[in-house]
Amino acid sequence: KQEVTQIPAALSVPEGENLVLNCSFTDSAIYNLQWFRQDPGKGLTSLLLIQSSQREQTSGRLNASLDKSSGRSTLYIAASQPGDSATYLCAVKQGGSEKLVFGKGTKLTVNP
Amino acid sequence: DAGVTQSPTHLIKTRGQHVTLRCSPISGHKSVSWYQQVLGQGPQFIFQYYEKEERGRGNFPDRFSARQFPNYSSELNVNALLLGDSALYLCASSLLALTDTQYFGPGTRLTVL
Repeated sequence: KQEVTQIPAALSVPEGENLVLNCSFTDSAIYNLQWFRQDPGKGLTSLLLIQSSQREQTSGRLNASLDKSSGRSTLYIAASQPGDSATYLCAVKQGGSEKLVFGKGTKLTVNP
Repeated sequence: DAGVTQSPTHLIKTRGQHVTLRCSPISGHKSVSWYQQVLGQGPQFIFQYYEKEERGRGNFPDRFSARQFPNYSSELNVNALLLGDSALYLCASSLLALTDTQYFGPGTRLTVL
């Protein structure tokens, strides 16, 4: 059974700092890994999708890496801003289905 | 193009009642999935439908059911509501390629009293 873990559960940083969020998964037989952002009480916004054959993806100040063999992914946020404050979730897709298995998320607070 | 839409936004029910939640996928998307997210947890997979057929089911009781219509919209039904069914219910759509991004709607907040 696939399990996804995100560390830390919460993170508070000053504005402008670079930061890394971590995601680990137990079964390396995945099709892809997706990072999402969730604002309080809202739905999920897709940030980056990394296919199993890829090592990293970049979008603006965000960079996600994937090491499938070790079961790890990181989301790097450069020059953090207060507007980046949200919960960040990672999810893996596997098994020939559309099912995503999510971690519990990392709650990020960027202080002005 | 409109994103994934869900209705209603919020819903309050009492124990034992029945509820129907609705989802319209992004235009052109034929796959719809449903997730339950309780406070402080990641979303949990409930169902996936494609071309009106169930393609996947998570570990939820038979009180939960769903269907997909010819226009690819979907309904999630929950019978005999329990307090523990209080959660944010999320719908996601995709083109149904394994490599595709899933796009989520804003969710329906269900409160069971």
